[in-house]
Order: sequence, then structure tokens, then C-alpha cells
Amino acid sequence: EIVMTQSPATLSVSPGERATLSCKASQSISSNLAWYQQKPGQAPRLLIFGASTRATGIPARFSGSGSGTEFTLTISSLQSEDFALYYCQQYNNWPPVTFGGGTKVEIK
Amino acid sequence: EVQVVESGGGLVQPGGSLRLSCAASGFSLSDYEMNWVRQAPGKGLEWVSYSSTSGGTMYYADSVKGRFTISRDNAKKSLYLQMSSLRVEDTAVYYCTGGGNWFDPWGQGTLVTVSS
Repeated sequence: EIVMTQSPATLSVSPGERATLSCKASQSISSNLAWYQQKPGQAPRLLIFGASTRATGIPARFSGSGSGTEFTLTISSLQSEDFALYYCQQYNNWPPVTFGGGTKVEIK
Repeated sequence: EVQVVESGGGLVQPGGSLRLSCAASGFSLSDYEMNWVRQAPGKGLEWVSYSSTSGGTMYYADSVKGRFTISRDNAKKSLYLQMSSLRVEDTAVYYCTGGGNWFDPWGQGTLVTVSS
């Protein structure tokens, strides 16, 4: 099973600043990585798939990069609605699909 | 609008059974691979089970293998999760979600509480 590790667990950022979230895989997953956003009491929402392709309707301030074992989600200028939990997920070797533990982006 | 809506959650005693349903609208279920993903209170996301478009291929997480069964009725646009021998650690919000690699769309989830 591929283990996904996200860091940091909590990221404190001021509105308008850039946020950089990290996700590392325990072995190479090529570009088979997705990112999700989850707000309290809501279901996850797909942001990025294929490590860097934005899902339909996702603003351009969200960007993904990386391949192999190291990946990054960047939010270029944080808006109030972006403060949430973010999860990465690998789909290179499955089953099982595996998720990272999440990064909480909070207001500084 | 592409949408999935889960139902069937509730309170059940350890060792009991429950059947979750997921109703699809705005798309043809027969075109979508489908999954169940769960989230224990205050915890992260855990993939539970997968169904191919026809229902002929199914996968399960080790934690539920032998206890949970995924199925679907494409004509009724519905996905199901039959859960038996439930344990306290199965307590979670269960999400129905589409996709064979990345997951989209997601339902709002249904809460399953296993407690005596």
C-alpha cells in the first residue's frame, strides 16, 4: 500500500498570501495524484487531477505540480473561501486508493 | 446537474447490519465507476470500496473485506453498500463518489454510528 504524507498538518496564512501544501508518496506514483478541498460539514471537492490539471470550475489560483514522489498544491492568493482542509490522493497503484492525512489551511 | 445523494445511515449496534444507498441524477450511472469513501469523526478520508461500471468488478479495503458488499442497479441509477458485522470503528460519514481514479462527484454523505 502506498502511504501518502502531507505537510504541514496546519498552515497559517494571511488572506492574499500564497499557500504551499506538500504531499509525498512512499513510492513513485508518476503523476497519478489528485487534490481535494473539504470545508467543515461538507463533502470533499475535487480540485486537481493528474497532479496539475484543474477540475471543472476550479479557479486559476489553484495549481498543482510534481511527479514521482513529491507534489505541491499552491494557492496563489488566498481568498476567504479557501480556508479549509486539503487532501491528496494517489491512484497509481490501487486498490487501495490512499489519501494523505490532510493539511488545514487556517487564517493567520 | 450531476449529483449523487446517499441515504440509509443511522445508529446500529455492534454486530448489526445496515444498507446504504446512493441515488445518481444528471448522468447515466452505467457510464461511471463508483466508490464508497468514509470519514470517521474528526479524521481523514478512507477509501472503502469500488464498483466497475457493470458491477462485475469490485474491490474492498482490507478493513471491510468480507463484511461489506458493494452493488449497483444501473437501471435504477443506484449504488449500494451492504454492511454487516459492523464494528465501533466503522462509525463514520460514508460518501458515495464517482470515478475510477480521481473522485467526482461526491454526495453529502450519510452518517453511520455503531454503538451499543
